Amino acid sequence: DAKTTQPPSMDCAEGRAANLPCNHSTISGNEYVYWYRQIHSQGPQYIIHGLKNNETNEMASLIITEDRKSSTLILPHATLRDTAVYYCIVTTDSWGKLQFGAGTQVVVTP
Amino acid sequence: EPEVTQTPSHQVTQMGQEVILRCVPISNHLYFYWYRQILGQKVEFLVSFYNNEISEKSEIFDDQFSVERPDGSNFTLKIRSTKLEDSAMYFCASPGPTYNEQFFGPGTRLTVL
Repeated sequence: DAKTTQPPSMDCAEGRAANLPCNHSTISGNEYVYWYRQIHSQGPQYIIHGLKNNETNEMASLIITEDRKSSTLILPHATLRDTAVYYCIVTTDSWGKLQFGAGTQVVVTP
Repeated sequence: EPEVTQTPSHQVTQMGQEVILRCVPISNHLYFYWYRQILGQKVEFLVSFYNNEISEKSEIFDDQFSVERPDGSNFTLKIRSTKLEDSAMYFCASPGPTYNEQFFGPGTRLTVL
């Protein structure tokens, strides 16, 4: 699976959009981009995934560049409960092992 | 949302003792995973289990570890002789209904003294 690079931390004001970048320059054609988050010491939580098209669900939007070498997770209206570590993971199959990196620690402030 | 449950939530044991961590995955799934997270470190894959057999394991999953499915609805992770460095959060996970995601349990905090 391709490696990903994420900033170690970022702050976001409550109510504003949070844009979380992820670089995956070695991604191959059959690899998906997945985003999970981990709130404090809870189990990781699935957010969204995509292959090459932009995706949106009730939690977030995923924007994947045309060359697929990077992506951005957008939390449209961040709340205090969105404070968590966010992981960008590239993998060929969702039911295989997930390789977690260090992720991005997002802190949402009032 | 589908739910994965784990027991106990916290286990304290003496070094060298055996521990068994339990998990009830989302029902009717043949895939199942264990991960661990040492305090302050990243989540690490331990083992995947498919249709009553180990399908993949990491280098962490040595002979001290074993997984079983004692009955149709729950899975166990056994550590035969715990070491101090086994202290960690242990998470189990199983695929969701569409197999597009993995649902994680709340974890078991293992403390080895």
